Amino acid sequence: KNEVEQSPQNLTAQEGEFITINCSYSVGISALHWLQQHPGGGIVSLFMLSSGKKKHGRLIATINIQEKHSSLHITASHPRDSAVYICAVLHMDSNYQLIWGAGTKLIIKP
Amino acid sequence: EPEVTQTPSHQVTQMGQEVILRCVPISNHLYFYWYRQILGQKVEFLVSFYNNEISEKSEIFDDQFSVERPDGSNFTLKIRSTKLEDSAMYFCASSELAVAYNEQFFGPGTRLTVL
Repeated sequence: KNEVEQSPQNLTAQEGEFITINCSYSVGISALHWLQQHPGGGIVSLFMLSSGKKKHGRLIATINIQEKHSSLHITASHPRDSAVYICAVLHMDSNYQLIWGAGTKLIIKP
Repeated sequence: EPEVTQTPSHQVTQMGQEVILRCVPISNHLYFYWYRQILGQKVEFLVSFYNNEISEKSEIFDDQFSVERPDGSNFTLKIRSTKLEDSAMYFCASSELAVAYNEQFFGPGTRLTVL
């Protein structure tokens, strides 16, 4: 069983739509990271969360520790948001070893 | 803006050969990591390095792999005798603090092709 599950696997939307990507995990964690992987392969860290909610520009990330669930939202989506969005968790028994999800491939059409 | 750099961008090698992948982390960062991503698969943690020693490693990081910080700037991953299944994108990352507390900054990756 995968310890980190993301949904949907693929998402295509029109420019301007509100986007939600979900991440569920089955282990106890001390932190959750959302990352973005561009078509060329480069990875950028978006958020690190251990509780509550964080906002950066049009991106919002929330986490519910009790439900073992996190969401990444994109408001007013734009074609440049097209990328793979990955959730990765830090198991509470580890200080360094991130467990990665498979990613959600997002395509925003103009 | 400071960034993590990796060289080479693409390495092609014959099975059984040794390869060294190089990374220059962000200069004031203290924690360093290697990850790999086999084509079409998830990113996988290989190893973390702090204070000149390995702090954690995954099951993938067997005796064929080693890491080193040979000077104040470079961080290297060596694969002693490459196998076909080592073909992947290898990402280096660095952070100021451990990932429980801080984001990581990733290099652009080295694509390793083992023939």
